[in-house]
Amino acid sequence: DAGVIQSPRHEVTEMGQEVTLRCKPISGHDYLFWYRQTMMRGLELLIYFNNNVPIDDSGMPEDRFSAKMPNASFSTLKIQPSEPRDSAVYFCASRRSPEAFFGQGTRLTVV
Amino acid sequence: AQSVTQLGSHVSVSEGALVLLRCNYSSSVPPYLFWYVQYPNQGLQLLLKYTSAATLVKGINGFEAEFKKSETSFHLTKPSAHMSDAAEYFCAVSKNTGGFKTIFGAGTRLFVKA
Repeated sequence: DAGVIQSPRHEVTEMGQEVTLRCKPISGHDYLFWYRQTMMRGLELLIYFNNNVPIDDSGMPEDRFSAKMPNASFSTLKIQPSEPRDSAVYFCASRRSPEAFFGQGTRLTVV
Repeated sequence: AQSVTQLGSHVSVSEGALVLLRCNYSSSVPPYLFWYVQYPNQGLQLLLKYTSAATLVKGINGFEAEFKKSETSFHLTKPSAHMSDAAEYFCAVSKNTGGFKTIFGAGTRLFVKA
């Protein structure tokens, strides 16, 4: 298995632009998580899905953030409009057993 | 609610010395506990996990952790540090019932001196 695949690995965008981060979970995993990592706040859980259904989005910082999981093999995290304070590394993780498996992350820079 | 506290944001040891990274958790139900390692510009990689079997858990790269319910602790140890162990380490907890999410500690950066 190729593991959790995230794209792009790096994204630089201007403030106000829409950003879409993509994630392909490991086949057969029924949980998918989006995390954000910053120096100041560490690793924060933004939202997670079970069987493609959003279970808890209480970590989504603002309405500018949205996430979807249209099928078991694909999820997106969208920021519209983006702001410089959204700059961070965004991780997707998936799980079937107790432990979560992480992607390599997307480093987002909003200038 | 679950939470994880990692004591010490930075730990520095000499090569060959004992590594001890501390983690305390709180959980209203029996937890699953994990240690992950993150190398620069990489995602998190599972080192080991506790899922209510043996309290002493062995992981990859010579690391192990002991679950102590009375102390609500899950400290990570390695008898002899290697330069390649320099990384950030995260302790994490999730419940073993229901729709459980994984909560991470703030992380501890391990430095290994030659």
